[in-house]
Amino acid sequence: QVQLVESGGGVVQPGRSLRLSCAASGFTFSSYAMHWVRQAPGKGLEWVAVISYDGSNKYYADSVKGRFTISRDNSKNTLYLQMNSLRAEDTAVYYCARGSTVDSSGYYLKRDAFDIWGQGTMVTVSS
Amino acid sequence: QSVLTQPPSVSGAPGQRVTISCTGSSSNIGAGYDVHWYQQLPGTAPKLLIYGNSNRPSGVPDRFSGSKSGTSASLAITGLQAEDEADYYCQSYDSSLSVLFGGGTKLTVL
Repeated sequence: QVQLVESGGGVVQPGRSLRLSCAASGFTFSSYAMHWVRQAPGKGLEWVAVISYDGSNKYYADSVKGRFTISRDNSKNTLYLQMNSLRAEDTAVYYCARGSTVDSSGYYLKRDAFDIWGQGTMVTVSS
Repeated sequence: QSVLTQPPSVSGAPGQRVTISCTGSSSNIGAGYDVHWYQQLPGTAPKLLIYGNSNRPSGVPDRFSGSKSGTSASLAITGLQAEDEADYYCQSYDSSLSVLFGGGTKLTVL
């Protein structure tokens, strides 16, 4: 069964750090680009970051650039999001999602659809 | 305000047809980048509904269809059912702003 399971969310004070994890199963994790997408309470979806299948390419939304770092460990089938200098506006449900196309060229990295989503993990930034 | 503009809400009676628009510009949809659509039922994660403008993943009913023309795309739902009540999002790529989602449209089945 193809599945993504996020963990690591919680309540954190402004300025502190948190690391999210996303465990993948049921597919060849190392073949797919992976994304983080977030959704603030009552709001729409916001793309956060993408990492290529081999970790060699990473891109971020302007709102998190310089504060968040996406990474992956293909030997553990796990995606990560290191979030530093957290702000109140980072409060959201964070979803990991799989890019739908197996693509070694990188062309689809930011053009692709997200075909598998995790259930999400809530991050609350509050003092 | 999202770069991809969707109506905040649409509604329809069971059995009817509704459409949801997604309006972009020459730097995203108009530049030829694909549009994808997602359905988010209350309290759940988004689900891919349409990819590559008009393609349905396996398991998505053919009541759902997508199209694209110029700087806009549309999602059509025919034979509306109560279970279709959800939020719908379009997604595309922008040459300057990277991955974009529309603001979302809440579908109410009357």
